[in-house]
Amino acid sequence: SQQGEEDPQALSIQEGENATMNCSYKTSINNLQWYRQNSGRGLVHLILIRSNEREKHSGRLRVTLDTSKKSSSLLITASRAADTASYFCATDARWGTSYGKLTFGQGTILTVHP
Amino acid sequence: KAGVTQTPRYLIKTRGQQVTLSCSPISGHRSVSWYQQTPGQGLQFLFEYFSETQRNKGNFPGRFSGRQFSNSRSEMNVSTLELGDSALYLCASSQVQGDTQYFGPGTRLTVL
Repeated sequence: SQQGEEDPQALSIQEGENATMNCSYKTSINNLQWYRQNSGRGLVHLILIRSNEREKHSGRLRVTLDTSKKSSSLLITASRAADTASYFCATDARWGTSYGKLTFGQGTILTVHP
Repeated sequence: KAGVTQTPRYLIKTRGQQVTLSCSPISGHRSVSWYQQTPGQGLQFLFEYFSETQRNKGNFPGRFSGRQFSNSRSEMNVSTLELGDSALYLCASSQVQGDTQYFGPGTRLTVL
């Protein structure tokens, strides 16, 4: 079963606009990771944010984490057609539990129109 | 460094057969995790191996098994295939728990 919920399930925007995706989860975590997947291929790692961090940036990506609300958001600025993909959040449980297991949300399908 | 590799990339099997999928982790990574992705259930954790030991297992029937070799390469086996086993099987490697998991391209299994 999926731990998290992602919102929205689908997002359609124009090139140059910003895209925001939200993720909620249920249990205590060690870190939260965001991944991108193109057309049923492998997952590409985007960013990892640890439970003691509140915000992280990587290029055009900005991730926030609110552990009190058990939620995270991914912002993609100045989107490009090449950003069209499915985006997943995945949580890694606390140290010493649930080894090697990431629990994924159901994903957000992002479509960026040229 | 080379990324995670998975072989084969595509497989077609019939019900009742068995299948073995292979995963080579990034050099130096000792943890290998396997996931199943289907349209209905999404991404689900199968199991994780570290230093040839299974440390964690997801909620899958015993037909799903795996192993890890001393060079950290891992295989998973599915016996007595069912139609519902059709999925994209992904493996991921990481150095230690809590670290980034890097995924391979996946093996697309179709069961007829």
